[in-house]
Amino acid sequence: EPEVTQTPSHQVTQMGQEVILRCVPISNHLYFYWYRQILGQKVEFLVSFYNNEISEKSEIFDDQFSVERPDGSNFTLKIRSTKLEDSAMYFCASSQGASQPQHFGDGTRLSIL
Amino acid sequence: AQSVTQLGSHVSVSEGALVLLRCNYSSSVPPYLFWYVQYPNQGLQLLLKYTTGATLVKGINGFEAEFKKSETSFHLTKPSAHMSDAAEYFCAVSFGKSGGYQKVTFGTGTKLQVIP
Repeated sequence: EPEVTQTPSHQVTQMGQEVILRCVPISNHLYFYWYRQILGQKVEFLVSFYNNEISEKSEIFDDQFSVERPDGSNFTLKIRSTKLEDSAMYFCASSQGASQPQHFGDGTRLSIL
Repeated sequence: AQSVTQLGSHVSVSEGALVLLRCNYSSSVPPYLFWYVQYPNQGLQLLLKYTTGATLVKGINGFEAEFKKSETSFHLTKPSAHMSDAAEYFCAVSFGKSGGYQKVTFGTGTKLQVIP
Protein backbone atom coordinates (compact mmCIF):
# COMPACT_ATOMS: atom_id res chain seq x y z
CA GLU A 1 0.00 0.00 0.00
CA PRO A 2 1.39 3.44 -0.90
CA GLU A 3 2.51 5.49 2.05
CA VAL A 4 3.72 8.94 3.01
CA THR A 5 7.44 8.97 3.75
CA GLN A 6 9.29 11.53 5.84
CA THR A 7 12.97 12.23 6.21
CA PRO A 8 14.90 12.42 8.41
CA SER A 9 13.32 10.42 11.20
CA HIS A 10 15.20 12.51 13.77
CA GLN A 11 16.74 15.97 13.29
CA VAL A 12 18.86 17.71 15.91
CA THR A 13 19.51 21.41 15.32
CA GLN A 14 21.00 24.33 17.23
CA MET A 15 18.59 27.09 18.25
CA GLY A 16 18.50 29.84 15.66
CA GLN A 17 19.40 27.57 12.78
CA GLU A 18 17.19 26.86 9.79
CA VAL A 19 15.78 23.39 9.34
CA ILE A 20 13.98 21.73 6.44
CA LEU A 21 11.76 18.72 7.00
CA ARG A 22 11.02 16.62 3.95
CA CYS A 23 8.01 14.59 2.95
CA VAL A 24 7.08 12.52 -0.08
CA PRO A 25 3.27 12.34 -0.23
CA ILE A 26 1.37 9.52 -1.88
CA SER A 27 1.79 10.00 -5.61
CA ASN A 28 -1.82 10.60 -6.72
CA HIS A 29 -2.71 12.82 -3.77
CA LEU A 30 -3.38 16.49 -4.34
CA TYR A 31 -3.65 17.93 -0.82
CA PHE A 32 -0.73 18.13 1.56
CA TYR A 33 -0.55 18.94 5.25
CA TRP A 34 1.81 19.47 8.14
CA TYR A 35 0.94 18.79 11.76
CA ARG A 36 3.04 18.83 14.89
CA GLN A 37 2.87 17.04 18.21
CA ILE A 38 4.78 18.49 21.13
CA LEU A 39 5.79 15.75 23.55
CA GLY A 40 2.84 14.77 25.72
CA GLN A 41 0.41 17.04 23.89
CA LYS A 42 -2.10 16.55 21.13
CA VAL A 43 -1.51 16.65 17.41
CA GLU A 44 -1.97 20.21 16.09
CA PHE A 45 -2.74 21.34 12.56
CA LEU A 46 -0.16 23.66 11.02
CA VAL A 47 -0.96 24.12 7.35
CA SER A 48 -2.68 22.68 4.30
CA PHE A 49 -1.39 23.09 0.73
CA TYR A 50 -3.13 22.64 -2.58
CA ASN A 51 -2.39 23.69 -6.13
CA ASN A 52 0.96 25.16 -5.10
CA GLU A 53 -0.41 27.46 -2.47
CA ILE A 54 -1.39 27.45 1.16
CA SER A 55 -5.13 26.86 1.51
CA GLU A 56 -5.37 27.07 5.28
CA LYS A 57 -3.01 27.67 8.17
CA SER A 58 -3.23 27.84 11.93
CA GLU A 59 -2.06 30.60 14.24
CA ILE A 60 0.97 28.43 15.02
CA PHE A 61 2.12 28.77 11.41
CA ASP A 62 3.74 32.19 11.72
CA ASP A 63 6.34 33.93 9.56
CA GLN A 64 9.15 31.61 10.60
CA PHE A 65 7.41 28.71 8.87
CA SER A 66 7.10 28.12 5.14
CA VAL A 67 6.10 25.24 2.92
CA GLU A 68 7.09 24.38 -0.58
CA ARG A 69 6.58 21.73 -3.21
CA PRO A 70 9.90 22.15 -5.02
CA ASP A 71 9.29 19.36 -7.52
CA GLY A 72 6.62 16.84 -8.41
CA SER A 73 7.21 14.59 -5.44
CA ASN A 74 8.56 16.41 -2.39
CA PHE A 75 6.71 18.62 0.09
CA THR A 76 8.87 20.49 2.57
CA LEU A 77 8.41 22.43 5.79
CA LYS A 78 11.05 25.06 6.53
CA ILE A 79 11.55 26.66 9.92
CA ARG A 80 13.79 29.71 9.45
CA SER A 81 15.14 30.43 12.91
CA THR A 82 14.36 27.60 15.24
CA LYS A 83 13.40 28.11 18.86
CA LEU A 84 13.49 25.67 21.75
CA GLU A 85 9.70 25.43 21.66
CA ASP A 86 9.81 24.14 18.09
CA SER A 87 10.98 20.81 19.46
CA ALA A 88 8.24 18.37 18.51
CA MET A 89 7.27 15.52 16.24
CA TYR A 90 6.26 16.87 12.85
CA PHE A 91 3.86 14.83 10.75
CA CYS A 92 3.24 15.19 7.06
CA ALA A 93 -0.05 14.00 5.59
CA SER A 94 -1.65 13.86 2.18
CA SER A 95 -5.10 13.19 0.76
CA GLN A 96 -6.64 12.66 -2.67
CA GLY A 97 -9.24 15.35 -2.14
CA ALA A 98 -10.15 17.93 0.44
CA SER A 99 -12.81 15.68 1.93
CA GLN A 100 -10.82 12.45 1.72
CA PRO A 101 -9.06 10.94 4.76
CA GLN A 102 -5.54 12.14 5.36
CA HIS A 103 -2.74 9.59 5.33
CA PHE A 104 0.11 10.32 7.71
CA GLY A 105 3.81 9.66 7.60
CA ASP A 106 5.79 8.30 10.55
CA GLY A 107 6.96 11.78 11.49
CA THR A 108 10.24 13.61 12.01
CA ARG A 109 11.31 14.18 15.58
CA LEU A 110 12.86 17.66 15.73
CA SER A 111 15.06 18.42 18.71
CA ILE A 112 16.27 21.99 19.19
CA LEU A 113 19.30 22.43 21.45
CA ALA B 1 -14.68 26.56 16.62
CA GLN B 2 -14.54 22.84 16.10
CA SER B 3 -13.35 20.77 19.03
CA VAL B 4 -13.17 17.18 20.11
CA THR B 5 -12.96 15.76 23.62
CA GLN B 6 -11.68 12.35 24.57
CA LEU B 7 -12.70 11.15 28.00
CA GLY B 8 -9.94 9.31 29.78
CA SER B 9 -6.29 9.79 28.92
CA HIS B 10 -5.56 6.21 29.97
CA VAL B 11 -7.79 3.14 29.68
CA SER B 12 -6.86 -0.34 30.85
CA VAL B 13 -8.70 -3.48 29.80
CA SER B 14 -8.04 -7.17 30.17
CA GLU B 15 -7.21 -9.23 27.11
CA GLY B 16 -10.48 -10.44 25.64
CA ALA B 17 -12.56 -7.71 27.29
CA LEU B 18 -14.60 -5.03 25.56
CA VAL B 19 -12.73 -1.89 24.50
CA LEU B 20 -14.65 1.40 24.73
CA LEU B 21 -12.89 4.68 24.02
CA ARG B 22 -15.05 7.77 24.29
CA CYS B 23 -15.11 10.78 21.99
CA ASN B 24 -17.42 13.79 21.90
CA TYR B 25 -17.29 16.71 19.51
CA SER B 26 -18.81 20.14 19.29
CA SER B 27 -20.17 21.42 16.01
CA SER B 28 -22.93 23.43 14.46
CA VAL B 29 -22.47 21.78 11.07
CA PRO B 30 -22.18 18.13 10.07
CA PRO B 31 -18.68 16.88 10.85
CA TYR B 32 -16.41 14.28 9.40
CA LEU B 33 -15.14 12.06 12.20
CA PHE B 34 -12.07 9.85 12.40
CA TRP B 35 -10.21 7.56 14.72
CA TYR B 36 -6.46 7.24 14.32
CA VAL B 37 -4.10 4.89 16.15
CA GLN B 38 -0.48 5.63 16.98
CA TYR B 39 1.90 2.85 17.96
CA PRO B 40 5.10 3.83 19.79
CA ASN B 41 7.55 5.74 17.59
CA GLN B 42 5.24 5.49 14.61
CA GLY B 43 2.92 7.80 12.70
CA LEU B 44 -0.84 8.06 12.77
CA GLN B 45 -2.77 5.26 11.09
CA LEU B 46 -6.41 5.71 10.11
CA LEU B 47 -8.65 3.18 11.87
CA LEU B 48 -12.00 4.30 10.50
CA LYS B 49 -13.96 7.32 9.38
CA TYR B 50 -17.50 8.64 9.26
CA THR B 51 -18.49 11.10 6.56
CA THR B 52 -22.11 10.51 5.57
CA GLY B 53 -24.51 7.59 5.38
CA ALA B 54 -24.51 4.64 7.77
CA THR B 55 -23.80 5.81 11.30
CA LEU B 56 -22.10 2.58 12.37
CA VAL B 57 -18.74 2.36 10.67
CA LYS B 58 -16.36 -0.56 10.72
CA GLY B 59 -12.62 -0.13 10.55
CA ILE B 60 -9.47 -2.16 10.58
CA ASN B 61 -8.40 -4.59 13.29
CA GLY B 62 -12.00 -5.28 14.39
CA PHE B 63 -12.74 -1.75 15.59
CA GLU B 64 -15.99 0.05 14.96
CA ALA B 65 -17.55 3.37 15.93
CA GLU B 66 -21.04 4.79 15.91
CA PHE B 67 -21.89 8.37 15.07
CA LYS B 68 -24.67 9.58 17.39
CA LYS B 69 -25.72 13.06 16.35
CA SER B 70 -28.08 13.54 19.31
CA GLU B 71 -25.22 12.84 21.73
CA THR B 72 -22.50 14.45 19.57
CA SER B 73 -20.47 11.31 20.16
CA PHE B 74 -18.31 8.95 18.13
CA HIS B 75 -17.16 6.29 20.57
CA LEU B 76 -14.74 3.58 19.45
CA THR B 77 -15.38 -0.04 20.40
CA LYS B 78 -13.93 -3.47 19.92
CA PRO B 79 -15.63 -6.56 21.33
CA SER B 80 -12.48 -8.36 22.43
CA ALA B 81 -9.16 -6.67 23.18
CA HIS B 82 -5.91 -8.13 21.91
CA MET B 83 -2.45 -7.44 23.24
CA SER B 84 -1.53 -5.87 19.91
CA ASP B 85 -4.23 -3.22 20.45
CA ALA B 86 -2.08 -1.46 23.04
CA ALA B 87 -1.43 1.97 21.54
CA GLU B 88 -2.61 5.57 21.70
CA TYR B 89 -5.91 6.35 19.99
CA PHE B 90 -6.88 9.76 18.69
CA CYS B 91 -10.36 10.91 17.82
CA ALA B 92 -10.37 13.63 15.17
CA VAL B 93 -12.92 15.86 13.48
CA SER B 94 -13.05 18.10 10.45
CA PHE B 95 -15.72 20.39 9.11
CA GLY B 96 -16.58 21.47 5.62
CA LYS B 97 -15.79 24.96 4.49
CA SER B 98 -15.00 26.58 1.20
CA GLY B 99 -11.89 24.49 0.71
CA GLY B 100 -13.34 21.25 1.91
CA TYR B 101 -12.64 19.30 5.07
CA GLN B 102 -8.97 20.12 5.22
CA LYS B 103 -8.15 21.05 8.78
CA VAL B 104 -8.34 18.07 11.09
CA THR B 105 -8.62 18.76 14.79
CA PHE B 106 -7.38 16.01 17.08
CA GLY B 107 -8.38 15.07 20.58
CA THR B 108 -5.79 14.72 23.29
CA GLY B 109 -5.54 10.96 22.84
CA THR B 110 -6.30 7.91 24.94
CA LYS B 111 -3.59 5.41 25.77
CA LEU B 112 -4.98 1.89 25.77
CA GLN B 113 -3.27 -0.66 27.96
CA VAL B 114 -4.18 -4.33 27.52
CA ILE B 115 -3.54 -6.52 30.52
CA PRO B 116 -2.79 -10.20 29.90
